[in-house]
Amino acid sequence: RKEVEQDPGPFNVPEGATVAFNCTYSNSASQSFFWYRQDCRKEPKLLMSVYSSGNEDGRFTAQLNRASQYISLLIRDSKLSDSATYLCVVNTNAGKSTFGDGTTLTVKP
Amino acid sequence: DTGVSQDPRHKITKRGQNVTFRCDPISEHNRLYWYRQTLGQGPEFLTYFQNEAQLEKSRLLSDRFSAERPKGSFSTLEIQRTEQGDSAMYLCASSSVGGDYGYTFGSGTRLTVV
Repeated sequence: RKEVEQDPGPFNVPEGATVAFNCTYSNSASQSFFWYRQDCRKEPKLLMSVYSSGNEDGRFTAQLNRASQYISLLIRDSKLSDSATYLCVVNTNAGKSTFGDGTTLTVKP
Repeated sequence: DTGVSQDPRHKITKRGQNVTFRCDPISEHNRLYWYRQTLGQGPEFLTYFQNEAQLEKSRLLSDRFSAERPKGSFSTLEIQRTEQGDSAMYLCASSSVGGDYGYTFGSGTRLTVV
């Protein structure tokens, strides 16, 4: 079983739709959590950190449930430019990041 | 440029040859990480440094792989006797201690072993 598991998708949604991605992690000692975005043949880029209280950045909302070891990302009012792969990332207290295999999103006009 | 730089961007090599990649991290970051990524997979951890000390190396990393960060600044990743299975994107990232603010990745080195 992988340490970080994501539904690979693909998710194909129309512009303006709301879409949610889920992620589970197995290491209960994990301390910090992130979502990264990766465009085709590019490097991953940090999208947002994920906090226990939940946090929002514009159209993006991230949630963390430590008890269930579950992380989510919600994208509202999807744009064509949101098309990418979204990587769920978990850090141990050593600071090393473990990446999921990503969820692919395609937003269509 | 204050980002993470990797060189070369692309490398094609024959099986059995040695290759070396370089990474220049963000200067204020004292942690440097190497990851490998193949198509359809997330980045897979290889090793990381805090300053010049190599703190962890993946058990998946064979003895053909070695990394250095001699002065706590740039790092090199060497693969000896390359195999076709080594073909991948090799990503370098840097962060401040703890990585609590996430990583900044370089553009990667794409290795093709023929």
